[in-house]
Amino acid sequence: EPEVTQTPSHQVTQMGQEVILRCVPISNHLYFYWYRQILGQKVEFLVSFYNNEISEKSEIFDDQFSVERPDGSNFTLKIRSTKLEDSAMYFCASSEGRTSGSLPRRNEQFFGPGTRLTVL
Amino acid sequence: LAKTTQPISMDSYEGQEVNITCSHNNIATNDYITWYQQFPSQGPRFIIQGYKTKVTNEVASLFIPADRKSSTLSLPRVSLSDTAVYYCLVGALLRVTGGGNKLTFGTGTQLKVEL
Repeated sequence: EPEVTQTPSHQVTQMGQEVILRCVPISNHLYFYWYRQILGQKVEFLVSFYNNEISEKSEIFDDQFSVERPDGSNFTLKIRSTKLEDSAMYFCASSEGRTSGSLPRRNEQFFGPGTRLTVL
Repeated sequence: LAKTTQPISMDSYEGQEVNITCSHNNIATNDYITWYQQFPSQGPRFIIQGYKTKVTNEVASLFIPADRKSSTLSLPRVSLSDTAVYYCLVGALLRVTGGGNKLTFGTGTQLKVEL
């Protein structure tokens, strides 16, 4: 069964450093997402990405964050200058989306296993 | 965005049926009801989705009354491995203009299954 993969599984970094979290969405999916979950808290939406551009972002997704699809398979989240409060589990997700001329498909989002980011 | 309310936690025993009810009084006409499951240190996993009446798949059933102001996730014969957090989400399937639809998670229901 196809699945979303994420690397690394755990990233430790110093405050102020840049980090790039990597994701490989399911190959025929059109929509990509990043979520985060601070330990013991809710899963929070960060950003959605479609057709090579951001389609929606949350208040959390400020100028320190960026996303990119550098090639046909990877989807990355960059945090330019990490802060202590960026420590969290970051989940990538993807979904099929609508096909032209058809009814909306079930918008099931497939989540990756997550990257645990620890900022020291 | 429709707000959802579900119990913080539930306890059950192996082999029992578990029903988790979610309230969503302000559900909109275009909104679907979706349930996700999350194990510790893993990403959420889709369980089931419905719009009205009853939906059943290989792992669960979803009951939605005619007014759609609530829904009940039913897990038949739970096992220890069903111990997880269960989230009820309400929202439109896709944005009209394209692009993915963000999922808004609440605090969920922590289900604990014991022997």
